[in-house]
Amino acid sequence: GAVVSQHPSWVICKSGTSVKIECRSLDFQATTMFWYRQFPKKSLMLMATSNEGSKATYEQGVEKDKFLINHASLTLSTLTVTSAHPEDSSFYICSARGGSGSPSSYEQYFGPGTRLTVT
Amino acid sequence: GQNIDQPTEMTATEGAIVQINCTYQTSGFNGLFWYQQHAGEAPTFLSYNVLDGLEEKGRFSSFLSRSKGYSYLLLKELQMKDSASYLCAVRDRRELIWGLGTSLAVNP
Repeated sequence: GAVVSQHPSWVICKSGTSVKIECRSLDFQATTMFWYRQFPKKSLMLMATSNEGSKATYEQGVEKDKFLINHASLTLSTLTVTSAHPEDSSFYICSARGGSGSPSSYEQYFGPGTRLTVT
Repeated sequence: GQNIDQPTEMTATEGAIVQINCTYQTSGFNGLFWYQQHAGEAPTFLSYNVLDGLEEKGRFSSFLSRSKGYSYLLLKELQMKDSASYLCAVRDRRELIWGLGTSLAVNP
């Protein structure tokens, strides 16, 4: 099956600093990548959708300047949490989907997630 | 509006069968997914239904009725490791809409 990796798997940072999370599709080209956050015992909340080479589409209520998303290649997307605060502490999960014609054209493959703790 | 309903919690016994229901109301429909998520981990894909009927995959089966806006996930021969959250998600015209998940506890 298609594999998506995420790095780091967990990170602790101080309030006011920025953190970058990488999401990579290892064995397929991901035309679309999704970034989610999830609070304990809550459902996934879609933050943004990014297509390779274009600007990300953010969901309502998600600050574009705070959560910077870059999808520069068909195998890599990054999420940068800028000026992080304790309320940004959460589980961040990326997923990837291939383009039409690929085995993964309908399924979203999830990365293992990144647990961010802001102190 | 967009809405996906599934029970919050369910309990079952090891070796038994459990059915997790999901009803949905979305502006469009391009498939229904079931995912399994263990605590602290990302979701893993279980099944995909786009046409009416039953899809069987080992111990897991998923059913879809588009006219009723209804799906269920059937888990047979339950094992302790099946204790997890089960998420129903529907793809509307654009992207996935997620249910809140059903937390399944399998007891010995």
